[in-house]
Amino acid sequence: ELKVEQNPLFLSMQEGKNYTIYCNYSTTSDRLYWYRQDPGKSLESLFVLLSNGAVKQEGRLMASLDTKARLSTLHITAAVHDLSATYFCAVDRANFGNEKLTFGTGTRLTIIP
Amino acid sequence: DAGVTQSPTHLIKTRGQHVTLRCSPISGHKSVSWYQQVLGQGPQFIFQYYEKEERGRGNFPDRFSARQFPNYSSELNVNALLLGDSALYLCASRGGLADSYNEQFFGPGTRLTVL
Repeated sequence: ELKVEQNPLFLSMQEGKNYTIYCNYSTTSDRLYWYRQDPGKSLESLFVLLSNGAVKQEGRLMASLDTKARLSTLHITAAVHDLSATYFCAVDRANFGNEKLTFGTGTRLTIIP
Repeated sequence: DAGVTQSPTHLIKTRGQHVTLRCSPISGHKSVSWYQQVLGQGPQFIFQYYEKEERGRGNFPDRFSARQFPNYSSELNVNALLLGDSALYLCASRGGLADSYNEQFFGPGTRLTVL
């Protein structure tokens, strides 16, 4: 059974600081996703990582994937208050017709002014 | 273009009742998946439908069922509601099957409260 773990579960950081969220998964996966969720809202897609060594950046967020280590990271640079949210990673297998996403536990990020 | 839509937005039911949740995928998308997100946890996969056929089922009891219609919209039905069914129910649509990369897009969700 595919398992996805994130750490930390909770992260409180000051504006302007850098930090990294880690996502480990237990078995070979074809795709790694990062989502953002604001309280009471749905999931907003941030990044999709498809291959080993993939790196994507959008604003102050950068995601990377190491398929050999089964590890993805979401790096936050010079955090601002607007980045406060819960971040989820998720993986799936490109099995024909089976598109189940397995999500991590989430990291609740709070940016303190 | 409209994204994934879900109805209703919020719903309050009592234990033992039945509920039907609805989802309309993005125009042109043929795959619909349902997820349950209990407060404080990540979403859990319930069902996936493609071309009106069930393609995947998560670890949920038989009280949960779903179907997809010819216009690719979908319903999730839950019978004999339990307090533990209280959650945000998310629908996601995707353009095609997983043999080619297609991103899943999530709807706004239906917040179900069981009293």
